[in-house]
Amino acid sequence: KQEVTQIPAALSVPEGENLVLNCSFTDSAIYNLQWFRQDPGKGLTSLLLIQSSQREQTSGRLNASLDKSSGRSTLYIAASQPGDSATYLCAVTSSQGGSEKLVFGKGTKLTVNP
Amino acid sequence: EAQVTQNPRYLITVTGKKLTVTCSQNMNHEYMSWYRQDPGLGLRQIYYSMNVEVTDKGDVPEGYKVSRKEKRNFPLILESPSPNQTSLYFCASKSDGETAFFGQGTRLTVV
Repeated sequence: KQEVTQIPAALSVPEGENLVLNCSFTDSAIYNLQWFRQDPGKGLTSLLLIQSSQREQTSGRLNASLDKSSGRSTLYIAASQPGDSATYLCAVTSSQGGSEKLVFGKGTKLTVNP
Repeated sequence: EAQVTQNPRYLITVTGKKLTVTCSQNMNHEYMSWYRQDPGLGLRQIYYSMNVEVTDKGDVPEGYKVSRKEKRNFPLILESPSPNQTSLYFCASKSDGETAFFGQGTRLTVV
């Protein structure tokens, strides 16, 4: 059974700092990996999608890497801003009954202090 | 605009009173699913559907039903809600290999 772990569970940093969020998964047979952002009481917004054949994806100040063989992904946030404060969720897409299933980690709650 | 729409956003109900949470997507996605999110437990899949008239159980299906009569709609039905179903619910849709889109969530309280 696929399990996804995110470390740390919470992180507090001063504005402007570069930071890394970690995600690990137990079964390397994945189709892709996604990073989401969730603001309090709100839905999930997709940040980056990395296909299993890719090593990384970039969007603005965000860079996500994927090492499928070791079961790890990182989300790098450059020059953090208070507006980046949110919970970041990692999810892997695995096979499920002929289709695909998202399995989520429990998230990292990020606070960026002005 | 591509979106997944859930209704209602907030609901307080009493134990045993049947309710339905609606979910609709406008992206012609084949795959739709329901999740519940609870503190310390993260997001857990309730049911999913690969296409019209094709549904299957996820990790925590007990006490829930779904239907997929049309491609765009995937309602979640609680026939006899109980307090342990108090949670934040999310509907999602996607196509194979593509980004998943999530609704804004439905906060359900069962008293």
